[in-house]
Amino acid sequence: EDKVVQSPLSLVVHEGDTVTLNCSYEVTNFRSLLWYKQEKKAPTFLFMLTSSGIEKKSGRLSSILDKKELFSILNITATQTGDSAIYLCAVGGLGHSGGSNYKLTFGKGTLLTVNP
Amino acid sequence: DSGVTQTPKHLITATGQRVTLRCSPRSGDLSVYWYQQSLDQGLQFLIQYYNGEERAKGNILERFSAQQFPDLHSELNLSSLELGDSALYFCASSVAHSAGASYNEQFFGPGTRLTVL
Repeated sequence: EDKVVQSPLSLVVHEGDTVTLNCSYEVTNFRSLLWYKQEKKAPTFLFMLTSSGIEKKSGRLSSILDKKELFSILNITATQTGDSAIYLCAVGGLGHSGGSNYKLTFGKGTLLTVNP
Repeated sequence: DSGVTQTPKHLITATGQRVTLRCSPRSGDLSVYWYQQSLDQGLQFLIQYYNGEERAKGNILERFSAQQFPDLHSELNLSSLELGDSALYFCASSVAHSAGASYNEQFFGPGTRLTVL
């Protein structure tokens, strides 16, 4: 069964701090790893990673994937109170049957709280 | 706003009842996914449809069923409801899913909050 584990479960920091969120996975027929941010509503897409070692960057957020060690990290620099949210990691795989049976498995998320 | 719409926003019903949740994907998206999110289980994939056909099944109970119609909107039917079915149900859509396509990100609707009393 596909598995995604995120750590830490919860994190409290002060504005301006840098945080690193971790995601490790076990997925059959890996195809992609995605990061989402969830505030009080639906998850919103941040990044999709498919290749090892290539950093994706958007403003103060960046992410990288290591397909050999089966993990990804999400970095947020100079955190702001608006970064407070649950960050979800999801991994897409084709399962044992391969073919077109692509589905995402989500981790339980990391709750980030940024205090002023 | 992701472009994915879900109705209703909230639903309160009693145990044993049946409800239907509705989802309209983003314009041009052929794949629809249903997820259940509860406090203890996190976000759980239920089922996926692509252009009207079921393509993948996750942790979906036999009491639950879904379909995708020719206009690509989808419905999730939940029957014989139990207290434990209370959760937030999300629909997401993406352009494609197949092996030949890039594994596109999924765009989530606002969710339907189901409360079973």
